[in-house]
Amino acid sequence: AQSVSQHNHHVILSEAASLELGCNYSYGGTVNLFWYVQYPGQHLQLLLKYFSGDPLVKGIKGFEAEFIKSKFSFNLRKPSVQWSDTAEYFCAVNPWNQGGKLIFGQGTELSVKP
Amino acid sequence: KAGVTQTPRYLIKTRGQQVTLSCSPISGHRSVSWYQQTPGQGLQFLFEYFSETQRNKGNFPGRFSGRQFSNSRSEMNVSTLELGDSALYLCASSLLASGVSYNEQFFGPGTRLTVL
Repeated sequence: AQSVSQHNHHVILSEAASLELGCNYSYGGTVNLFWYVQYPGQHLQLLLKYFSGDPLVKGIKGFEAEFIKSKFSFNLRKPSVQWSDTAEYFCAVNPWNQGGKLIFGQGTELSVKP
Repeated sequence: KAGVTQTPRYLIKTRGQQVTLSCSPISGHRSVSWYQQTPGQGLQFLFEYFSETQRNKGNFPGRFSGRQFSNSRSEMNVSTLELGDSALYLCASSLLASGVSYNEQFFGPGTRLTVL
């Protein structure tokens, strides 16, 4: 079955620490990849996306992600987190032949201590 | 440009009743997808509509249905509500052009459904 796995359920960091959130998916074909963020009390927003080309993609607010096809991974990184990055982060996969269907991971709750 | 809007924002129903949720996509967007978000199951895809046709469907029972109108607005209906249907229902819209199979989705604030 197609699935997306996020390795960490809850991550706690201090401001200025580096962040890496893991995401692996199970699907053998071509995929589009996304990271979404949900700030407290707000709706899901797109952080970054990968459709094709350079596997290192940059998103908003200093986030980036690297697609490693051989590892079926799309990890999210940020060199220095801020308190305002406190939110829940979701990795999502769109199998290329399944229209608009997004398969989400379970989410990672990030808490940044000031 | 206005974002995706969903009505109502909150809804309380009892078991056995039915409910209809509404979604207005971003102007010009022709694809609308629906998701269910619960603490236990996370975000799960319900279905997608494009040009008034269901293009894709998730693994939900037939009690969950939807439709899309000619102005791209969409509704989803849940009949014979069960306690487990309590969830946040999210709608997302996408701008799809001819020959493009996918584009990024923009999410609405959701409708919080509570089934008592």
